[in-house]
Formats: sequence, structure tokens, C-alpha cells
Amino acid sequence: GNSVTQMEGPVTLSEEAFLTINCTYTATGYPSLFWYVQYPGEGLQLLLKATKADDKGSNKGFEATYRKETTSFHLEKGSVQVSDSAVYFCALRGGSQGNLIFGKGTKLSVKP
Amino acid sequence: DAGVTQSPTHLIKTRGQQVTLRCSPKSGHDTVSWYQQALGQGPQFIFQYYEEEERQRGNFPDRFSGHQFPNYSSELNVNALLLGDSALYLCASRYWDRNQETQYFGPGTRLLVL
Repeated sequence: GNSVTQMEGPVTLSEEAFLTINCTYTATGYPSLFWYVQYPGEGLQLLLKATKADDKGSNKGFEATYRKETTSFHLEKGSVQVSDSAVYFCALRGGSQGNLIFGKGTKLSVKP
Repeated sequence: DAGVTQSPTHLIKTRGQQVTLRCSPKSGHDTVSWYQQALGQGPQFIFQYYEEEERQRGNFPDRFSGHQFPNYSSELNVNALLLGDSALYLCASRYWDRNQETQYFGPGTRLLVL
């Protein structure tokens, strides 16, 4: 079945450091891929998405590229801020009507 | 334009009780999905409602049931609560744009079962 695997956290970085959170997936067909962010005490917010191979999603300085050959969708940001501290979830949707399947989440803490 | 709203924000129940959680989707969104997020885990899909019918269901027992109203709002009901039902319950509404679907999540209802 479909599944998502994320690198385990927590990840602690200093402000302005480079961020990579790894995400790989297993799916039949051509899933859509998403990154959601969850700030403390809040629900999920869509950060970015990609719907086909080689697409790059980007938002707020974050970006991720849909790599079909490596079944990956790694999240990157060139210079993190304290306000980026949150839990990041990688997710896939297997079909146009399918539900979202999430990874376990990666907690990011950014220190000033 | 209000986003997805959920009520209540927090709830405490005891084992064996029943609970009803409510969700109002974003304006113009006609499909509502419910997810359970246990502490330290990613959300897990419970079910999805469209046109007042359950269209998809995840791996959850029949104690979990739902309803969608003509105005697209939805309820999640859980009977015979267990300690393991303690979680954040998230509602998401679906939006189609240029043949692409995006789900928008509400802030969630945090349920504690004692």
C-alpha cells in the first residue's frame, strides 16, 4: 500500500542554517505530494505541493522537488528563522479522490 | 472568508461515553474529511463525506461514524470511548483549482479520554 517515510527528528538548527528534511514514499501510480506544517497548538497548514514528476513546489523560502526516480520529496530551505520552528509533515495522495497519507512528522527547532 | 472551523476546541470525556465533534468547511468547499492525530504521530484518515454520504473510509472501527449536512458542515461521532481515542481530531475541506485538489485543515479538536 501507499506510505510515506520521513527522517526522524527532532532537528535543531541555528538561525540562518540550511534545512533539509528527507521524505520518501511508496505508491502505485503517480501520487501528488505535499508538505504540511503544524505550529504549536494549531492544525495543519499546506506549505507546498507538487503533482507530477520533476515539479518543484515552493512557498515562504521552502522548496521541494518531486523525484520519481528516487521516490523522494525532500524539503529544503536555505536560511531558517526562529519562526520556522514547527512540525513538518510529508504527505501523498494516491488518486484524484484519495485521502492523504502522512508521514510521522519531523519537529524542527531553530535557535537564535 | 472564514477558513475551516471546528468545535469544540478541547473536550474531556470518560471511557464508555460518546462524543460529537463538529466541522464547518471553507466557503465553497463541498467535501469534508476527518483525521485522527495521536500525540507525536501523523494524522490518519478516518473518513470522507461528499453529498451527505460517506465516500471513503480508513481503517477505523464502526464506533466512529459521521454525518454531513446540506450546508456541507459535518459531524464526527465516536461511541464507547476508549483511552486510545485521545487525540487531536482534524477536519479538512477540499478545494479544486485547475483540476488540482488541495485539502485545507481546521485547527482541530483535542479530545482527552480519562
